[in-house]
Amino acid sequence: AQSVAQPEDQVNVAEGNPLTVKCTYSVSGNPYLFWYVQYPNRGLQFLLKYITGDNLVKGSYGFEAEFNKSQTSFHLKKPSALVSDSALYFCALGDSGYALNFGKGTSLLVTP
Amino acid sequence: NAGVTQTPKFRVLKTGQSMTLLCAQDMNHEYMYWYRQDPGMGLRLIHYSVGEGTTAKGEVPDGYNVSRLKKQNFLLGLESAAPSQTSVYFCASSPTGFTDTQYFGPGTRLTVL
Repeated sequence: AQSVAQPEDQVNVAEGNPLTVKCTYSVSGNPYLFWYVQYPNRGLQFLLKYITGDNLVKGSYGFEAEFNKSQTSFHLKKPSALVSDSALYFCALGDSGYALNFGKGTSLLVTP
Repeated sequence: NAGVTQTPKFRVLKTGQSMTLLCAQDMNHEYMYWYRQDPGMGLRLIHYSVGEGTTAKGEVPDGYNVSRLKKQNFLLGLESAAPSQTSVYFCASSPTGFTDTQYFGPGTRLTVL
């Protein structure tokens, strides 16, 4: 079965420090991986995706993600966190059908 | 360009009542989805549609029905609401299937008493 996991419910980081939000996946074929962000009382917004090609994917708001096939991971990163980055982050895996399998989400809190 | 809109934003129902949630998109997308979001469970797919006149079941379809009579609209119905259906419901659309970006609406917060 294809699945995605976010092992951390919450990540805390100080403003200006680098941040990492972890995601691992399990899939029988080629993975199609996404990161979405949800701000309070809002819908999800697309950040970036990996379909094929370079393992380092750059996205919106200075975020990037590294696809690692051997570790089956797709961690979200940002070199310098902002307080405004505080939100709920979802990793998602495209399966062989038409929809996405979402992780349970990781709450990111950036403190001043 | 409004993107994806959802009506209503909030609703409180009594057990056994029925209601319909409306999702509309103005991006001419073929694919539309209904998800529910519950604390600690992420987003779970209820139903989806790959084009006008088509619908298919997702991960948690029981207790819900959908219709896609027009390409731009995707309706989610609850025939007899139950407290277990208390959730936040999100609609999304995408141009094509699972390799494509999904665009989400702002959500509908439903409480069933």
